[in-house]
Amino acid sequence: NAGVMQNPRHLVRRRGQEARLRCSPMKGHSHVYWYRQLPEEGLKFMVYLQKENIIDESGMPKERFSAEFPKEGPSILRIQQVVRGDSAAYFCASSPLAGGDTQYFGPGTRLTVL
Amino acid sequence: QKEVEQNSGPLSVPEGAIASLNCTYSDRGSQSFFWYRQYSGKSPELIMSIYSNGDKEDGRFTAQLNKASQYVSLLIRDSQPSDSATYLCAVKSGANNLFFGTGTRLTVIP
Repeated sequence: NAGVMQNPRHLVRRRGQEARLRCSPMKGHSHVYWYRQLPEEGLKFMVYLQKENIIDESGMPKERFSAEFPKEGPSILRIQQVVRGDSAAYFCASSPLAGGDTQYFGPGTRLTVL
Repeated sequence: QKEVEQNSGPLSVPEGAIASLNCTYSDRGSQSFFWYRQYSGKSPELIMSIYSNGDKEDGRFTAQLNKASQYVSLLIRDSQPSDSATYLCAVKSGANNLFFGTGTRLTVIP
């Protein structure tokens, strides 16, 4: 049973470019959460999605960031016009139940903005 | 602002000793509590969950919860060098997401 999958594992972008991070939840999980971890900091919640719905985006920056979880395919976290401060590890977690009581994390995407 | 506080460490213990990791949280309405282990450069791995006051044991790990004191801890018995990692405390308090502490870095010295 495959775990949460994320790709790419490492992503390098220049300032002003777009970054697309993908997450496939564990089989049977329909709830996806995105977190960001800055160096030497804890994980910060960004957004919670179910298929075709954004349930909670209270942790998402107001500009440049968006997320989706289409009916078919992986969840996508999109960062437009990246800046150096976006450099971080972005983790996706999935849960089989609503409310995210037990979340299983993917390996993360490490974004570096030059 | 819901907060989860942990001593960042580093915490160093000799091999075979008990490592004690502590966490406090600000939201009295918190319902679920988790400990994750994160090796350097890797993703968080769930090791324990606890929902009610008292102790919960799983192998060498014991989680302790005291809701009145808003305190949760993790004890690791017979610590091994492979336990060296950052331990993240996470709290769920009615919202859809987990609130994480910044983690305590544990080093087990052979």
